[in-house]
Amino acid sequence: QVQLQESGPGLVKPSETLSLTCTVFGGSVTSGSHYWSWIRQPPGKGLEWIGYIYYSGSIKYNPSLKSRVTISVDTSKNQFSLKLSSVTAADTAVYYCARAIAGGVDYWGQGTLVTVSS
Amino acid sequence: QSVLTQPPSVSAAPGQKVTISCSGSSSNIGNNYLSWYQQLPGTAPKLLIYDNNKRPSGIPDRFSGSKSGTSATLGITGLQTGDEADYYCGTWDSSLSAVVFGGGTRLTVL
Repeated sequence: QVQLQESGPGLVKPSETLSLTCTVFGGSVTSGSHYWSWIRQPPGKGLEWIGYIYYSGSIKYNPSLKSRVTISVDTSKNQFSLKLSSVTAADTAVYYCARAIAGGVDYWGQGTLVTVSS
Repeated sequence: QSVLTQPPSVSAAPGQKVTISCSGSSSNIGNNYLSWYQQLPGTAPKLLIYDNNKRPSGIPDRFSGSKSGTSATLGITGLQTGDEADYYCGTWDSSLSAVVFGGGTRLTVL
């Protein structure tokens, strides 16, 4: 059974960089046709896809966030990471790491709330 | 505004059936697989339906998915109070080169 766990600061100051890491248990970030993804959900609002890194290493970002987002993978630690730069209050959200297949997102982390505030 | 359109809310009585619609376009629903997610209060979303109409292991057959053209429908039969949740549809949008979600539908079991 695949499990994902987000980790990182819960509070980030405006204009700084948000950094989160997702550790994958019960599976490998290098195996299978999987898209290792980040998705966020502002309080009381819907889901927004941030981007993914494919098991082969290719990366896709949401065009609306592309200029500020970096997703990377550390195969030695079986982790993948998110960096979002120049954050504002609008970036306050629950951030989920997840595993996707072609037809949907089949495993989700529990989510971590990141608040942008001074 | 979400790329995929869902009704904000639906409601039905226990034991009844409810359907939730998801409308899009040829660049998303019309030419890509659709999935549905259930989000219980305070929890992460859970995959209910993938590849338009397939259920992951452990999802009861009370939940079903269908797609026709640029629209899709999630059906839930034998409603239970435990089904009260937010439901989201999602798919790839070939024009945006992005995963897109509907705005979500809150199901109330009266």
